[in-house]
Amino acid sequence: DTAVSQTPKYLVTQMGNDKSIKCEQNLGHDTMYWYKQDSKKFLKIMFSYNNKELIINETVPNRFSPKSPDKAHLNLHINSLELGDSAVYFCASSLSTLAKNIQYFGAGTRLSVL
Amino acid sequence: EDQVTQSPEALRLQEGESSSLNCSYTVSGLRGLFWYRQDPGKGPEFLFTLYSAGEEKEKERLKATLTKKESFLHITAPKPEDSATYLCAVQAGSGNTGKLIFGQGTTLQVKP
Repeated sequence: DTAVSQTPKYLVTQMGNDKSIKCEQNLGHDTMYWYKQDSKKFLKIMFSYNNKELIINETVPNRFSPKSPDKAHLNLHINSLELGDSAVYFCASSLSTLAKNIQYFGAGTRLSVL
Repeated sequence: EDQVTQSPEALRLQEGESSSLNCSYTVSGLRGLFWYRQDPGKGPEFLFTLYSAGEEKEKERLKATLTKKESFLHITAPKPEDSATYLCAVQAGSGNTGKLIFGQGTTLQVKP
């Protein structure tokens, strides 16, 4: 069983469309994250939820809206997609926000905006 | 501003040729430093976490060390299967958010 799973793995879409990426973890963790990895492999945090509450919201355009229906799921909805949104998006989870808690990553969703 | 810098960006080694990867950090209040390995098309995979200067951790051919300003990932007698991108990340500051700040990674290629 995959600990942190994301769907879809690949997403190709046109500019201006709206799309969603889903993430689920079966580790029983309280905290989930979304990261964006650009073409230079630089990983940057976007959002974090702890027990379904938003605790990190970096300077991300408000076209990006995370939603956490329960502790095991964190979805990412993107409105009006732009070329610059093309990247790999990773979901991660950890037991809590404490430093000793390891973050476990999903396999990523490669988004290509044409 | 908190910053993490990794060097070199890319490293090519012959099988068996030991070397070190560097991760320098400038943060206010280090709470933890993490090393991850990332294979092409996959998510980062946890390797080590270090919390205080002087701490060391080992796993097979890898050894991570930490000082007050940097961390090293030493690779002893590497094999081709060690080829990957190695990412360093820190948790810092007083806020308990779990936020990781990543470096840009070092891509290691080990040739047989």
